[in-house]
Amino acid sequence: DQQVKQNSPSLSVQEGRISILNCDYTNSMFDYFLWYKKYPAEGPTFLISISSIKDKNEDGRFTVFLNKSAKHLSLHIVPSQPGDSAVYFCAASSKARQLTFGSGTQLTVLP
Amino acid sequence: DAGVIQSPRHEVTEMGQEVTLRCKPISGHNSLFWYRQTMMRGLELLIYFNNNVPIDDSGMPEDRFSAKMPNASFSTLKIQPSEPRDSAVYFCASRMGGHIGELFFGEGSRLTVL
Repeated sequence: DQQVKQNSPSLSVQEGRISILNCDYTNSMFDYFLWYKKYPAEGPTFLISISSIKDKNEDGRFTVFLNKSAKHLSLHIVPSQPGDSAVYFCAASSKARQLTFGSGTQLTVLP
Repeated sequence: DAGVIQSPRHEVTEMGQEVTLRCKPISGHNSLFWYRQTMMRGLELLIYFNNNVPIDDSGMPEDRFSAKMPNASFSTLKIQPSEPRDSAVYFCASRMGGHIGELFFGEGSRLTVL
């Protein structure tokens, strides 16, 4: 029973356009959400996070939106760049501090 | 500063053999996590330690898997006997205790069991 779901295994976007990656969760105890980025043959690296008391957090080209009523979060990348091509993992944390990850979305930004 | 260090980076073994994966967390981090990445399930938490003590091993698939953390700078994940379905990338990650969220991952150990 996956508590964090990324239903799109892949996404292709043209360079300069917006990339929107989606994530859904089922556990209402989750109170902190993160996005990780992973290049081939490397470990995941932290990208951006959001607390459940907020609905938006922005860091440069990256913005994460949280809709608690829908148990949905999304990562927006604008403008998308070829270097953004990677696997993006959504993750959620509860008071127990463990991170539960989704299955990932492969983003390909086409030049 | 050195990040999380894992070894080996690649391991190819035959079914039934014992596999030992190793991890050195970032110095000063007192929480350590073992994850497994597969195509179907993404990143699954296998076990995590806090101050060298296993806190939650509910993600360990079965008795063939075991993990130890004898000291703050070293952990092992052992599979005995290994099976083809264990083929995956195994990641170790560490974090400062009490800090929610961000984990620092190693580069992973890719295991292939023939």
